[in-house]
Amino acid sequence: DSGVTQTPKHLITATGQRVTLRCSPRSGDLSVYWYQQSLDQGLQFLIQYYNGEERAKGNILERFSAQQFPDLHSELNLSSLELGDSALYFCASSPRGVGTGELFFGEGSRLTVL
Amino acid sequence: DAKTTQPPSMDCAEGRAANLPCNHSTISGNEYVYWYRQIHSQGPQYIIHGLKNNETNEMASLIITEDRKSSTLILPHATLRDTAVYYCIVRAFDTGGFKTIFGAGTRLFVKA
Repeated sequence: DSGVTQTPKHLITATGQRVTLRCSPRSGDLSVYWYQQSLDQGLQFLIQYYNGEERAKGNILERFSAQQFPDLHSELNLSSLELGDSALYFCASSPRGVGTGELFFGEGSRLTVL
Repeated sequence: DAKTTQPPSMDCAEGRAANLPCNHSTISGNEYVYWYRQIHSQGPQYIIHGLKNNETNEMASLIITEDRKSSTLILPHATLRDTAVYYCIVRAFDTGGFKTIFGAGTRLFVKA
């Protein structure tokens, strides 16, 4: 158990819909990262937040958005869903400040778009 | 962040040492080498990291060459549960944004 909690574990929805994925980082971790992993594909970095502020951005689609709240949990919002958005979405957190830099991953949210 | 090159797949016999290589010839002086693994659709798991000295923990050993252009992750006694994709990443510490980029990794098959 990494200490990172993601909900829901599984989600099935239809094209055009909007979903929200939630991530609770490890206690004390200020940074949250989101990754997308499509079937048999690698981990694609989406976005990183540090203490509520966006700090780094990857190839995140404009239909996707994220935020980190004052209690440090984060949400990834996916809208106008397409079939190709079906994937595993992972959240990770890391220790505060310069730390040692290792990421601790949750077990992921599996999104299926029909 | 520097790019890494890893073999796409490797086999290892159960009980033997698994040696997973990684090339990072463009690594900068302030970049660390990290290793993670992902066991079938689970969340990736941190294994070990290092700067220039060899490192060992309860999971593995990390050997970094003197010129830091390559490294090897060693699983001393591989078990079937070590079958996974192993990712080598180089990244600098930063108080700001991290873009920890995962490549394709090495798919390790541990066989009985």
